[in-house]
Amino acid sequence: AQSVTQLGSHVSVSEGALVLLRCNYSSSVPPYLFWYVQYPNQGLQLLLKYTTGATLVKGINGFEAEFKKSETSFHLTKPSAHMSDAAEYFCAVLRGANNLFFGTGTRLTVIP
Amino acid sequence: EPEVTQTPSHQVTQMGQEVILRCVPISNHLYFYWYRQILGQKVEFLVSFYNNEISEKSEIFDDQFSVERPDGSNFTLKIRSTKLEDSAMYFCASSTSGGNNEQFFGPGTRLTVL
Repeated sequence: AQSVTQLGSHVSVSEGALVLLRCNYSSSVPPYLFWYVQYPNQGLQLLLKYTTGATLVKGINGFEAEFKKSETSFHLTKPSAHMSDAAEYFCAVLRGANNLFFGTGTRLTVIP
Repeated sequence: EPEVTQTPSHQVTQMGQEVILRCVPISNHLYFYWYRQILGQKVEFLVSFYNNEISEKSEIFDDQFSVERPDGSNFTLKIRSTKLEDSAMYFCASSTSGGNNEQFFGPGTRLTVL
């Protein structure tokens, strides 16, 4: 069955620095991959998703992710971190018809 | 902007009691979901619901759990006899269609079983 693994439960970056959050997937079929963000006391919000087509996917708030089949990766990046990016980030893969299998999450801290 | 709402935000119950968690999905959505997140662990799929029936469920969703859409707006998760290990954040989500379409999540209900 499809699964994802997030490397690094906590990532700290300085404001203005590159954000890189890692996600690797396992799937015997072409995967549908997602990144969600969770701000404190809020639900999960979709940042971006990869289904088919272009492997570089752009999302909201300046985030993007690249699907790399050869590396089974779908890492999330943002060129310049902002204080408002501090949150928990979840990578997910669609498993079955409708259910999302989530990674364990990465908490991003942005240092002023 | 339409959003998924959940009530209550926090529910405390005694072990063995029944609880009902309520969700109001986005009005034109047709697919509904429940997920849970035990403190410090990953978000886990429980069940998906479409056309008034369960379309998928995980191994977590055993006979203690049930879902219902009692009217045109609410979507509920019932736990018949709560256990300590049911303590978690429960998230409701909805989408316009299934598959890879975006699931919109509510803010969650924190269930504490004593």
